[in-house]
Amino acid sequence: GAVVSQHPSRVICKSGTSVKIECRSLDFQATTMFWYRQFPKKSLMLMATSNEGSKATYEQGVEKDKFLINHASLTLSTLTVTSAHPEDSSFYICSARTSGRWNEQFFGPGTRLTVL
Amino acid sequence: AQSVTQLGSHVSVSEGALVLLRCNYSSSVPPYLFWYVQYPNQGLQLLLKYTTGATLVKGINGFEAEFKKSETSFHLTIPSAHMSDAAEYFCAVSEGGNNRLAFGKGNQVVVIP
Repeated sequence: GAVVSQHPSRVICKSGTSVKIECRSLDFQATTMFWYRQFPKKSLMLMATSNEGSKATYEQGVEKDKFLINHASLTLSTLTVTSAHPEDSSFYICSARTSGRWNEQFFGPGTRLTVL
Repeated sequence: AQSVTQLGSHVSVSEGALVLLRCNYSSSVPPYLFWYVQYPNQGLQLLLKYTTGATLVKGINGFEAEFKKSETSFHLTIPSAHMSDAAEYFCAVSEGGNNRLAFGKGNQVVVIP
């Protein structure tokens, strides 16, 4: 149980286009979802926290207009990278938390974004 | 805000050797501590966690970590390294139940046959 999927696993796009990444909890209801960014050979940086049905809370320094997060249902959150640039290339990982196991996050497999 | 320090980004060990990965944290409230493993191009998998209670936490395959409040540490021990243990290991801390995780920079473990 507690499986989180992400789609797509890899995406390559041209500079200036927008890319949407989906994060789904497959067998549980995710009251909270988190989005992380991981640079090569670096740690994970928390970008934002989203609760179902409400606006995401962004970490300091993360542009909310650049990284649009929607958590429309208890099983789906999306991250849209708008007007992507090469510096947005990174590994994006989501995680989900359920109310029954509130102190644990379940991580998705990640999405590799490459902006040309 | 909470933070984690992991020293020594790369750790090379011989197969069968004991591995010690150090993790020191900073937190203004009693912390919750986690160790995650990440294989190439994959997400993170929880190895073990400390929230309350027994300070020695045991995970699968003999992995264990000990919470030492006086030393603000949560070091991970792999008793006998296998080739399959080659991966990146991250220590993380959250301040109680706020669930916002702060990660260390990770340790890349390489197992030499």
